Amino acid sequence: DVQLSQSPSFLSASVGDRVTITCRASHDITGYVAWYQQKPGKVPDLLIYGASTLQTGAPSRFSGSGSGTEFTLTISSLQPEDSATYYCQQVKHYAVTFGQGTKLEIK
Amino acid sequence: QVHLVQSATEAKKPGASVKVSCKASGYRFSDYAVHWVRQAPGQGLEWLGWVVTGYGNTEYLPKVQGRITISVDTSASTVNMELSSLTSEDTAVYYCARDLGHCSGNRCTWAAFDVWGQGTTVTVSS
Repeated sequence: DVQLSQSPSFLSASVGDRVTITCRASHDITGYVAWYQQKPGKVPDLLIYGASTLQTGAPSRFSGSGSGTEFTLTISSLQPEDSATYYCQQVKHYAVTFGQGTKLEIK
Repeated sequence: QVHLVQSATEAKKPGASVKVSCKASGYRFSDYAVHWVRQAPGQGLEWLGWVVTGYGNTEYLPKVQGRITISVDTSASTVNMELSSLTSEDTAVYYCARDLGHCSGNRCTWAAFDVWGQGTTVTVSS
């Protein structure tokens, strides 16, 4: 299986900050990466797929980049409603795997 | 509107089986694969398996292979997930999710999970 490691595991930032979350893969997954946002008690919500394509309806302050084994999710200007846990996912290799999650807190 | 609606909360004893259903609406059912994902209390997301809805072919996570069966009822646009020999470690919220990658014949591309069911809580306790 492809292991995904997210960093940091926990992040505290202020409204208006630029925030970056990194996802590193144990094997080359080219661009087959997606990012999800999950708020407590809610269903995961797709933000980015294909490493950099913004899902319809996702706010434009979210962006993704990377290829191979290192990927990033960036929030350009943090908003209060961005408080959530963020997961990366790889769909290149069987079995589908997720990162362990990054919990983002708004100061 | 595209929706996946799952069956209700389940409480099971160790050793029992559970069957969770996921009914799709608002799109052509056989054009998209469906995956199952679970989330134990306070934990992350774990993929369990998927099904090509138009043909019924499946793949499962090795960890649950032999205990899990994902099946399709195309007449009802429903995907079912059955998990047997339950233990307390199977206590989780179980989600179905549509893959936005397209299917052609019995082959689908994986892309990402764009529509999720509301989740079904399965509690395993004696």
